[in-house]
Amino acid sequence: GEEVAQTPKHLVRGEGQKAKLYCAPIKGHSYVFWYQQVLKNEFKFLISFQNENVFDETGMPKERFSAKCLPNSPCSLEIQATKLEDSAVYFCASSQRENSYEQYFGPGTRLTVT
Amino acid sequence: LAKTTQPISMDSYEGQEVNITCSHNNIATNDYITWYQQFPSQGPRFIIQGYKTKVTNEVASLFIPADRKSSTLSLPRVSLSDTAVYYCLVGPPRSGGYQKVTFGTGTKLQVIP
Repeated sequence: GEEVAQTPKHLVRGEGQKAKLYCAPIKGHSYVFWYQQVLKNEFKFLISFQNENVFDETGMPKERFSAKCLPNSPCSLEIQATKLEDSAVYFCASSQRENSYEQYFGPGTRLTVT
Repeated sequence: LAKTTQPISMDSYEGQEVNITCSHNNIATNDYITWYQQFPSQGPRFIIQGYKTKVTNEVASLFIPADRKSSTLSLPRVSLSDTAVYYCLVGPPRSGGYQKVTFGTGTKLQVIP
């Protein structure tokens, strides 16, 4: 498609429950990124992929977060045991250009942990 | 990435030209300057990118002085729909998945009727 799609739009989980978010990048884009926006404007990079390969996962809290981009499937971001501080909007972005900051962002998934 | 400084907020009347300046004193030789726009409850949207002098597209212009220590995003004749947060980011071209964007706090532009 021509836009990055993210599902669900909203997700509510009790503390300790699992949360799984999905992202369909723009067709033809090789690079996928996940970001977390906690406060109004504060973005945190989590992980990037080139096709199905993890490229940079320096932002991921690996003990609870995992992500995949498998062929012919939406990419996913999973939080095994959610904590209150995981409440945020999670954005997925895709890019086709090798050396550019031109990324296309999805509408985000708002995760609320109660 | 080079540290950037932007005004926290700006107000403008409809129909005016708006200039948002970003300071990046520690910009490196191979850094590019990129601007994004984020509407409420939406993901950021790429607006424009440049290296030096002036870049113009259908949405905005980007002015970069010779010393490149600052840049100015210019929005011609803003409308209410331009109310958004505008982010400036500065960084080198990176290969593939290393091109993660790191936003600062951005400038909240409020367009007034």
